[in-house]
Amino acid sequence: DIQLTQSPSSLSASVGDRVTITCRASQSISTHLNWFQQRPGKAPKLLIFAASTLQSGVPSRFGGSGSGTDFTLTISSLEPEDFATYFCQQSYRSPITFGQGTRLETK
Amino acid sequence: QVQLQESGPGLVKPSETLSLTCTVSGGSLTNNYWTWIRQTPHRGLEWIGFFYRETTNYNPSLKSRVTLSVDTSKNQFFLRLTSVTAADTAMYYCVRGGQWEPLDSWGQGTLVTVSS
Repeated sequence: DIQLTQSPSSLSASVGDRVTITCRASQSISTHLNWFQQRPGKAPKLLIFAASTLQSGVPSRFGGSGSGTDFTLTISSLEPEDFATYFCQQSYRSPITFGQGTRLETK
Repeated sequence: QVQLQESGPGLVKPSETLSLTCTVSGGSLTNNYWTWIRQTPHRGLEWIGFFYRETTNYNPSLKSRVTLSVDTSKNQFFLRLTSVTAADTAMYYCVRGGQWEPLDSWGQGTLVTVSS
């Protein structure tokens, strides 16, 4: 199975901050990497697919980059509703796998 | 806009079979991939399997116990997981998407507890 390792596991930040979350794959996955946001008690929500394509309706302050084994999710200027948990997911090879999550908290 | 809704028993006894239904509105089960995923605080998000038309693909870790099926006339698809243990206690989600399509629409999830 392809392992995805996210860092950091948790992150404290303030409204207006720029934050970056990384996801490293155990082998090359080209750009078959997606990012999700999950708020407490809710289902995950797709933010970015194919490493850098913004899902329809997702604010442009979210951005993704990377290919191969190293990927980043960047939020350019945090809004109050962005404090949540973020997951990466690979679709390059079955079984589909997810990162362990990064919890973004208010400082 | 596609919507998905999981339904089924919230409590299942150990060694019995977990059966869940996903009802889809605003989308067709003859197109797209359709997936089941579960989530626990300790193991995180775990892909169970997906189907696409006549093809199914299961997580090898669950393959011996899992069956996905579909009823296109009712726009529903189903998860069956046999011989459950406490480790199968989780929030279960049905999702549109799969290996070659983004997981772009999720049900709200249904919590299943395995306990006697």
